[in-house]
Amino acid sequence: QKEVEQDPGPLSVPEGAIVSLNCTYSNSAFQYFMWYRQYSRKGPELLMYTYSSGNKEDGRFTAQVDKSSKYISLFIRDSQPSDSATYLCAMSADYGGATNKLIFGTGTLLAVQP
Amino acid sequence: DAGVTQSPTHLIKTRGQHVTLRCSPISGHKSVSWYQQVLGQGPQFIFQYYEKEERGRGNFPDRFSARQFPNYSSELNVNALLLGDSALYLCASNSDSNTEAFFGQGTRLTVV
Repeated sequence: QKEVEQDPGPLSVPEGAIVSLNCTYSNSAFQYFMWYRQYSRKGPELLMYTYSSGNKEDGRFTAQVDKSSKYISLFIRDSQPSDSATYLCAMSADYGGATNKLIFGTGTLLAVQP
Repeated sequence: DAGVTQSPTHLIKTRGQHVTLRCSPISGHKSVSWYQQVLGQGPQFIFQYYEKEERGRGNFPDRFSARQFPNYSSELNVNALLLGDSALYLCASNSDSNTEAFFGQGTRLTVV
């Protein structure tokens, strides 16, 4: 079983729709949760960074973390064709000793149709 | 302000050869990490360096090595290249442990 599970999609939605992207994880030590957007053949771009449980909002993006269920979500409101990309969730534990190792999901490919 | 920069952008090598990939972190960031991303998968952790010391190593063979320089830039070296080493190699920098990780554009390595 992978430490982080993510539906690879593809997910196709019409422009203006609300998009929900999700990841589940098995390691209860994870405390830091991130969402990245990756366009084809480019490096991942950090969208949201959350510590522990709760919600965080930034513009059209909302990240939710439910540590009790080991489940994280990213919501995109008023989706645009420019949001079409692969969305990666990533997580990290407090490994100590200034160690930072991200564990990624496989990514969900999102297509927003005009 | 420049982000994480990686060189080269693309590289084609033959099986058995050696390759060196380079990364310059965001100014002021002391931590550099390397990831391998094969097509259709999420990035896999290879190494992390902080203040020039190795702080983490992923499940990769000894053919993979890295180092960090006094200016916090880093090199990833891969010896005896295999076809399966073909991937996008990503470098990320952090200001400190468990803070936001920012990625470069990656080096696309093709082994033929």
